[in-house]
Amino acid sequence: TQLLEQSPQFLSIQEGENLTVYCNSSSVFSSLQWYRQEPGEGPVLLVTVVTGGEVKKLKRLTFQFGDARKDSSLHITAAQPGDTGLYLCADYIADNAGGTSYGKLTFGQGTILTVHP
Amino acid sequence: NAGVTQTPKFRVLKTGQSMTLLCAQDMNHEYMYWYRQDPGMGLRLIHYSVGEGTTAKGEVPDGYNVSRLKKQNFLLGLESAAPSQTSVYFCASSYLRGGSPLHFGNGTRLTVT
Repeated sequence: TQLLEQSPQFLSIQEGENLTVYCNSSSVFSSLQWYRQEPGEGPVLLVTVVTGGEVKKLKRLTFQFGDARKDSSLHITAAQPGDTGLYLCADYIADNAGGTSYGKLTFGQGTILTVHP
Repeated sequence: NAGVTQTPKFRVLKTGQSMTLLCAQDMNHEYMYWYRQDPGMGLRLIHYSVGEGTTAKGEVPDGYNVSRLKKQNFLLGLESAAPSQTSVYFCASSYLRGGSPLHFGNGTRLTVT
């Protein structure tokens, strides 16, 4: 069974600081997704990375995918209070049944980020 | 365009009671999922469906049943609630394509006393 480990579990920083959170897998990722979840809401997709070594930027967020596709990081520059939330990584596990391929998304435990004004 | 809508938002049950959570999506997605979220454990898949009339077990299916009679609706049932089922339940949907992002509802907070 694939295990996704995220670190750190909690992160509390001041506005303007930079931070990095990590996602590691016990096996090669097939298609890694990063989500952000705000209190009282469901997770929302930030980005999908597929290719080893890939780097994607979303405003102040930079996502890196390891060359071996077993690790990924999310770096936030000049964090703002609006970045507060739970950051989750997730990977698809292909599952075959009856000749049809089903995709099931497996999530890490998440990193709870708090950015203080 | 409402996306994924879950009802109810909150519910308190006594041990042994039953209830049904309703999920509705208006994006014509083939896949639908039920997850539960507990502190420190991320999101765990309960059951999922790859199309109308089909369902399959996820990681933690025991104590739950599901039905997908219509493409847009996915129901999660608890026949005899237990305190261990106290959790936040999320429904999600996605297109029939590997790697598609999930679209989540805003969750149902269930407490079983």
